[in-house]
Amino acid sequence: GAGVSQSPRYKVAKRGQDVALRCDPISGHVSLFWYQQALGQGPEFLTYFQNEAQLDKSGLPSDRFFAERPEGSVSTLKIQRTQQEDSAVYLCASSSGPRGVNSPLHFGNGTRLTVT
Amino acid sequence: DAKTTQPPSMDCAEGRAANLPCNHSTISGNEYVYWYRQIHSQGPQYIIHGLKNNETNEMASLIITEDRKSSTLILPHATLRDTAVYYCIVRLNNNDMRFGAGTRLTVKP
Repeated sequence: GAGVSQSPRYKVAKRGQDVALRCDPISGHVSLFWYQQALGQGPEFLTYFQNEAQLDKSGLPSDRFFAERPEGSVSTLKIQRTQQEDSAVYLCASSSGPRGVNSPLHFGNGTRLTVT
Repeated sequence: DAKTTQPPSMDCAEGRAANLPCNHSTISGNEYVYWYRQIHSQGPQYIIHGLKNNETNEMASLIITEDRKSSTLILPHATLRDTAVYYCIVRLNNNDMRFGAGTRLTVKP
């Protein structure tokens, strides 16, 4: 497809379960970002990849959050032992340029995670 | 990255121009001004960006003041589908976007 694709669209997890959220960026895009958006708030940065390298994970809220992009294309955000406060929309974005090059981010429609 | 200040909400009549202001008084010389919007249940959508010159595309116009401390996004003929939250962001090169609370624009018939 032409845009950023995220799956699943919705995920319900029981507290303590592990979840994996998938992002398919725009083909050829070097940079990939993950964001977390709580209800009624703007997206908050979680982590950044340039190709397969995770260059910034300063926004990950705890060591239960882990992201990978092993072949420099598809990325997975994993949350271990989910807690209720993890309930949010998780957004993925990609851009064509690496850091240092000005290019817009293109966002997917997100995965809405609900932890019960 | 510099912070931005936007009004929390605005209304606009359908067919009229919507002018959304943004203050970014601490912007540095090499930070870009970006605008995104987010319609309910969708991801943020890129609208436009600029450094110091005014910019126009098929969606909107961006007017940046000469001192670059503020900018205005203009939707020339607002439609009901333009109802969304609009985010103004200042960004250094390809660093991550830092979103604020944005302006909730409601276009009314």
